Amino acid sequence: GAGVSQTPSNKVTEKGKYVELRCDPISGHTALYWYRQSLGQGPEFLIYFQGTGAADDSGLPNDRFFAVRPEGSVSTLKIQRTERGDSAVYLCASSRLAGVGYEQYFGPGTRLTVT
Amino acid sequence: EDQVTQSPEALRLQEGESSSLNCSYTVSGLRGLFWYRQDPGKGPEFLFTLYSAGEEKEKERLKATLTKKESFLHITAPKPEDSATYLCAVQHQGGSEKLVFGKGTKLTVNP
Repeated sequence: GAGVSQTPSNKVTEKGKYVELRCDPISGHTALYWYRQSLGQGPEFLIYFQGTGAADDSGLPNDRFFAVRPEGSVSTLKIQRTERGDSAVYLCASSRLAGVGYEQYFGPGTRLTVT
Repeated sequence: EDQVTQSPEALRLQEGESSSLNCSYTVSGLRGLFWYRQDPGKGPEFLFTLYSAGEEKEKERLKATLTKKESFLHITAPKPEDSATYLCAVQHQGGSEKLVFGKGTKLTVNP
C-alpha cells in the first residue's frame, strides 16, 4: 500500500518568510510524528499527534514552529519568520497506533532551504 | 536525558566481509530499541525493534542483538546493495512515543 507522503519534496524560501510543510500518513494510522534531520545527524523529534491532538510537542524549538492535524489524518508543520538555521530535512512518520509494538514508518522528507 | 552513540561513524567493507555496527545507549527505562536503514535522499526505513536484553532478530543478511547497554547490528556477507546509513534509536518508558536517534553509521560495501 501507499506509504507516508510529504509535499513539497523541496522548498527554498527567503529568511523571514512563512512556510507550510504537509504530511499524508499511511491510511488508518492514528499516530503521526514530525522530526527534523540536519546533515550528518540523526532525526530529531519535534512533535507527535495521537488523533487530532498534539500529545507531545516538547521537541518544537521555539514558538515559530507550530503543527496541526485538524481531522486526524493530514498534518501541516508551519514555520513562521524562517531563519537560516531552520534549513534541514523535515521528516514525517506515522504508526497504526501509539505504544509498544507499533513501529514508526517514515516518509521521504521535505528538504527546506532558507536563503 | 536519553543518549544514543553509534560507532563507527563510517565503515567500508569488501563484498562478503562480515562486520558489526555498535549502538550504545543511556535511557531511563528502555521501552524499545529500533534499527532503521536510510538511503541518500530518502526517509529512514524500519528494520527491527528489540525490547529486552538477550533478544535477537534477523532479516536476510542482518541480525540485531540487544544487551542492557548496547545493541549490535551484524551484517553477514554484505553486498553492495547493503550500502546505506544505519540508524539506531531508543524509546523510553514513561509515555512519550518519541524516538531518540544516534547519528548513524555510514556503511559502504565495495564489489
